[in-house]
Amino acid sequence: KAGVTQTPRYLIKTRGQQVTLSCSPISGHRSVSWYQQTPGQGLQFLFEYFSETQRNKGNFPGRFSGRQFSNSRSEMNVSTLELGDSALYLCASTPDPGTYEQYFGPGTRLTVT
Amino acid sequence: AQSVTQPDIHITVSEGASLELRCNYSYGATPYLFWYVQSPGQGLQLLLKYFSGDTLVQGIKGFEAEFKRSQSSFNLRKPSVHWSDAAEYFCAVATLNQGGKLIFGQGTELSVKP
Repeated sequence: KAGVTQTPRYLIKTRGQQVTLSCSPISGHRSVSWYQQTPGQGLQFLFEYFSETQRNKGNFPGRFSGRQFSNSRSEMNVSTLELGDSALYLCASTPDPGTYEQYFGPGTRLTVT
Repeated sequence: AQSVTQPDIHITVSEGASLELRCNYSYGATPYLFWYVQSPGQGLQLLLKYFSGDTLVQGIKGFEAEFKRSQSSFNLRKPSVHWSDAAEYFCAVATLNQGGKLIFGQGTELSVKP
């Protein structure tokens, strides 16, 4: 079974721009979560989606948003990029919210200049 | 508030030596605990998990972890480290009352000496 895939793997953007990252979960997995990883803050939860609904949101500004499609694929969007948004963005999937083990993709490395 | 602490930021062990990575958690209920490993430039790979039952759990790549409720710990062990084990290791707890989001420790970077 294919793992979680994320596109693109690397991205360079300029401050003030916006960016959209994509995540395809493992086949049959319906819950998708997003995490931000930085050297200073470590791994921090962004949000979780199930059945196209956001179930949970971390402590991030409104510039960070996401959505999930009917095929469980998910996107996250960051508007008005700041230098501090440079990070590895990881997507994880689980079969459903009651299954707590999460399977992670390789991440998207975002660099904001 | 729930939290996970990994006291060791960086550990160096010799190849073939045993390994123990420490993890302490703070969580009001029975925790669901995980260990993940991350190689440079990669995502997180699940090594093992503890939900309930036997407090010694076996994982992939020869790793095991022991849950000790009295010490709020979930330490990761391996009897003989291989050079390919060099990576960063993360302990995490699932917050069951918040949809199961994972709270991670800061990670322990493992270096392996030949």
